[in-house]
Amino acid sequence: AQRVTQPEKLLSVFKGAPVELKCNYSYSGSPELFWYVQYSRQRLQLLLRHISRESIKGFTADLNKGETSFHLKKPFAQEEDSAMYYCALSSTGNQFYFGTGTSLTVIP
Amino acid sequence: DAGITQSPRHKVTETGTPVTLRCHQTENHRYMYWYRQDPGHGLRLIHYSYGVKDTDKGEVSDGYSVSRSKTEDFLLTLESATSSQTSVYFCAISGGRYDNEQFFGPGTRLTVL
Repeated sequence: AQRVTQPEKLLSVFKGAPVELKCNYSYSGSPELFWYVQYSRQRLQLLLRHISRESIKGFTADLNKGETSFHLKKPFAQEEDSAMYYCALSSTGNQFYFGTGTSLTVIP
Repeated sequence: DAGITQSPRHKVTETGTPVTLRCHQTENHRYMYWYRQDPGHGLRLIHYSYGVKDTDKGEVSDGYSVSRSKTEDFLLTLESATSSQTSVYFCAISGGRYDNEQFFGPGTRLTVL
């Protein structure tokens, strides 16, 4: 069965420190993975998708099929990065599975 | 933001009453979804639609029904609201240029007393 696990519900880091939000998945096929971000009082928006291999707002994420992980990383956290982050997996038929989310707080 | 709106944005209702939430899109995307967002549970899929009059159940569909009579509208109905259905409800769409990228609506905050 498809599953996305985000082990950390809450994560706090100091401004300027590196940050890593963990995401592990289980899926029998070739997954497509995403990170979505929800800033306070705003709608969810796409941050990254693994196939594009982009760096958005300084964030990167690498798909590791051996470890079934798609961790989100940023070398230097900023206060504006404080938000809720969701890892998501897309399967055939445009079905999506979301993790439970990680609330990131960047301490000034 | 993609052209997705939800109405109402906030609603307070009483246990046992029916409630209908509306999602409207102007993007002509094929797929539409209803999620609920709860602390500790993240986003959970209630129902989704893969075309007009084509819908299927998600992870937490009990107590909810949906209808999609035209491409742009996807209605979520709570047949008899319960306090456990107090939540924030998000609509999403996909099926555009990046076929499986989802775009979300602004959410509806529902409180069942």
